[in-house]
Amino acid sequence: SQQGEEDPQALSIQEGENATMNCSYKTSINNLQWYRQNSGRGLVHLILIRSNEREKHSGRLRVTLDTSKKSSSLLITASRAADTASYFCATGPGGTSYGKLTFGQGTILTVHP
Amino acid sequence: DTGVSQDPRHKITKRGQNVTFRCDPISEHNRLYWYRQTLGQGPEFLTYFQNEAQLEKSRLLSDRFSAERPKGSFSTLEIQRTEQGDSAMYLCASSFTGGALDEQFFGPGTRLTVL
Repeated sequence: SQQGEEDPQALSIQEGENATMNCSYKTSINNLQWYRQNSGRGLVHLILIRSNEREKHSGRLRVTLDTSKKSSSLLITASRAADTASYFCATGPGGTSYGKLTFGQGTILTVHP
Repeated sequence: DTGVSQDPRHKITKRGQNVTFRCDPISEHNRLYWYRQTLGQGPEFLTYFQNEAQLEKSRLLSDRFSAERPKGSFSTLEIQRTEQGDSAMYLCASSFTGGALDEQFFGPGTRLTVL
């Protein structure tokens, strides 16, 4: 079953604008990861944030994590047409299931040139 | 290319036939995962191996599904007596647990169509 939900389900913006996607989850986690998937292809790892971290940056990506609200957000700044893809958050649980990822349903991002 | 590879990339089969997929992980990775993704959904965990040991299986993995990683390197996923509901993208991922992070690297997937 899916762990969390992404919001919005679809997002359409113009090139140069910022894109923000949100993810909520239900159970305790060890880490939260964001992946990108271009149409019909494999997933590309973007960034991982641990449960004891609150914010992380990588290039044009900024991820926040609020474990008290069980939520995370991914911000893509100065978007490009090449950022058009589906974005998934995935949680890595603590305990004995360490390593297994539980994905949300994804946000479809379209960046218009 | 030293990434995760999967073979075949596409498979079309008739209902009731058996199919087998192969995954070759990144060479130094000791963990290997299988996920299934249907259209419009995120990937769902099926099973994972640490070296050759299968450590966890999802309830999604019915008796018709079997996965092996005989020498702790490549893995195979077999589906027996395929059903139309098995149509999906089957994704393999690998990771290395010796480091501080458990980042998973995904292969391109095998798209299965059951007619």
